[in-house]
Amino acid sequence: GENVEQHPSTLSVQEGDSAVIKCTYSDSASNYFPWYKQELGKGPQLIIDIRSNVGEKKDQRIAVTLNKTAKHFSLHITETQPEDSAVYFCAASIISGNQFYFGTGTSLTVIP
Amino acid sequence: DTAVSQTPKYLVTQMGNDKSIKCEQNLGHDTMYWYKQDSKKFLKIMFSYNNKELIINETVPNRFSPKSPDKAHLNLHINSLELGDSAVYFCASSRMGAGANVLTFGAGSRLTVL
Repeated sequence: GENVEQHPSTLSVQEGDSAVIKCTYSDSASNYFPWYKQELGKGPQLIIDIRSNVGEKKDQRIAVTLNKTAKHFSLHITETQPEDSAVYFCAASIISGNQFYFGTGTSLTVIP
Repeated sequence: DTAVSQTPKYLVTQMGNDKSIKCEQNLGHDTMYWYKQDSKKFLKIMFSYNNKELIINETVPNRFSPKSPDKAHLNLHINSLELGDSAVYFCASSRMGAGANVLTFGAGSRLTVL
């Protein structure tokens, strides 16, 4: 089955700096890679996703890159703000499938 | 509000008791899930139902029994609760078919077994 690894487990950045979270996956059949943000006391919420036919996707301060050959994908947050502080999860799946494989999470702290 | 709603949000109980967590979604999704999040924040799939039919059943003790009366509801019943069952349980839903299968999570139910 699929195995998703995520690094780092914790990340602290100064407000305004960039944050990068990296994930690797093992199953070349995976073709859909969502990222979820979990704020304290809440459920994970989808923030951005990317399909395997695209190498990069951007949404304002958030971007995700995908390297299919190396089987890794990354989340980039620029100009970080205190409200970006949360736990971030990457996941791998097959489009139209029902099995999501989650990474182990990254606790991001943005220091004002 | 369109959402995945689960109740109760908090549940404190003694070892050996039986408890249930309810989940409802009004998003029109046809697939529902239960995930367990432990103290290290790891998210683990427990069950998945598609149109009331069980499609994913990970290695979960028989004490956990999901029930889906219709495709908008997926409840989780836990018998003979143990200390290790303490966790946050998340219900989620998605729509299968063409296009990305986006997961929508509920707010979670924190279970504490004493």
